[in-house]
Amino acid sequence: AQSVTQLGSHVSVSEGALVLLRCNYSSSVPPYLFWYVQYPNQGLQLLLKYTTGATLVKGINGFEAEFKKSETSFHLTKPSAHMSDAAEYFCAVTGDRGSTLGRLYFGRGTQLTVWP
Amino acid sequence: DGGITQSPKYLFRKEGQNVTLSCEQNLNHDAMYWYRQDPGQGLRLIYYSQIVNDFQKGDIAEGYSVSREKKESFPLTVTSAQKNPTAFYLCASRRGQGNQPQHFGDGTRLSIL
Repeated sequence: AQSVTQLGSHVSVSEGALVLLRCNYSSSVPPYLFWYVQYPNQGLQLLLKYTTGATLVKGINGFEAEFKKSETSFHLTKPSAHMSDAAEYFCAVTGDRGSTLGRLYFGRGTQLTVWP
Repeated sequence: DGGITQSPKYLFRKEGQNVTLSCEQNLNHDAMYWYRQDPGQGLRLIYYSQIVNDFQKGDIAEGYSVSREKKESFPLTVTSAQKNPTAFYLCASRRGQGNQPQHFGDGTRLSIL
């Protein structure tokens, strides 16, 4: 089974500062990778995904992530934080073989706080 | 608009009672999923179904049951055997293969009376 590690359960930045949320996964076989955002008492909304091709992927709301196979990482960044970015962020990866390809494995989430 | 509808938004369970959470999608997706979310633990998979009339246990299936009689519906029953059911429950669906993202409903918050 996959495991997903999100370093830092809480990250705080000032408005306008760089946002960096870290995600590492366990498989040596590159899976499909996703970042989701969750606002309070809501479901998860897809920010971006990596499946194949270019390793730098752009998502909604100015976020992007880079898939680094050698580091088994998929860190999420945004050059300039906005107050509306305050939310919880989840990294997720698919299984790496057989029937597990259909399911997602989630990290524990990172709560992003943005200070004015 | 297509989407996933979970109901009710809030649900209370008494001791010894089974409760059923509804999940309906009109996205024509084949696969559907149930997750449990607890603070600081991320999302944990309870059950999933990749086609009608078939489903698999996830990582925390004990105390839960599901059915998939129709493509658009995947109800979750929280049985009295689940001793700690208080959590936020999320339903998701996905079309096609694993490279497609899962789409989520807005969740049901279950509490114990």
